[in-house]
Amino acid sequence: DSGVTQTPKHLITATGQRVTLRCSPRSGDLSVYWYQQSLDQGLQFLIQYYNGEERAKGNILERFSAQQFPDLHSELNLSSLELGDSALYFCASSVDSRDTGYGYTFGSGTRLTVV
Amino acid sequence: GQNIDQPTEMTATEGAIVQINCTYQTSGFNGLFWYQQHAGEAPTFLSYNVLDGLEEKGRFSSFLSRSKGYSYLLLKELQMKDSASYLCAGISGGYQKVTFGTGTKLQVIP
Repeated sequence: DSGVTQTPKHLITATGQRVTLRCSPRSGDLSVYWYQQSLDQGLQFLIQYYNGEERAKGNILERFSAQQFPDLHSELNLSSLELGDSALYFCASSVDSRDTGYGYTFGSGTRLTVV
Repeated sequence: GQNIDQPTEMTATEGAIVQINCTYQTSGFNGLFWYQQHAGEAPTFLSYNVLDGLEEKGRFSSFLSRSKGYSYLLLKELQMKDSASYLCAGISGGYQKVTFGTGTKLQVIP
């Protein structure tokens, strides 16, 4: 157990629907990162939050949004889902993005299948 | 962000040594990670290099040359369980943005 908790582990939904993925960072970590990994693709950075504030944005679609709550858990909302959104969505956390010596700790991911 | 380049696939024999190379853009570079990822699982942290040279951790070592924009991960005494993807990730910018490469899929054969 890495200490980063992601729910649900699996999600199957239809095109056009909306889903919410949840992440609880490791205790003491203030930064949360969301990544998308499609089949046989690399990790694509979506967005980063630090202590409730958005800090960096990657290639996140307008149909996707995220937030980090006061208790530091984060949610990634995916709407108007398309078949191409099927992927593994990982959440990772770190103490502070400026202190990278220990790397990120990843959750086990949410496998989203859009049918 | 960084443009990370690493080979797509490699095959090596159990008990041997394998070197996985990674090149990156040097502009704004602040450091480099290596992660291991088994299929369908979360990436796990292997190493972090910020200064030139070799960092050794048991069977795994990672090397960095900042001037050349080059790193490698060295795996010794390969075991079957080392079959996985190895992700090189560059760190850049003021907020230490991390950009992952597409990974090198290593297959260890008997």
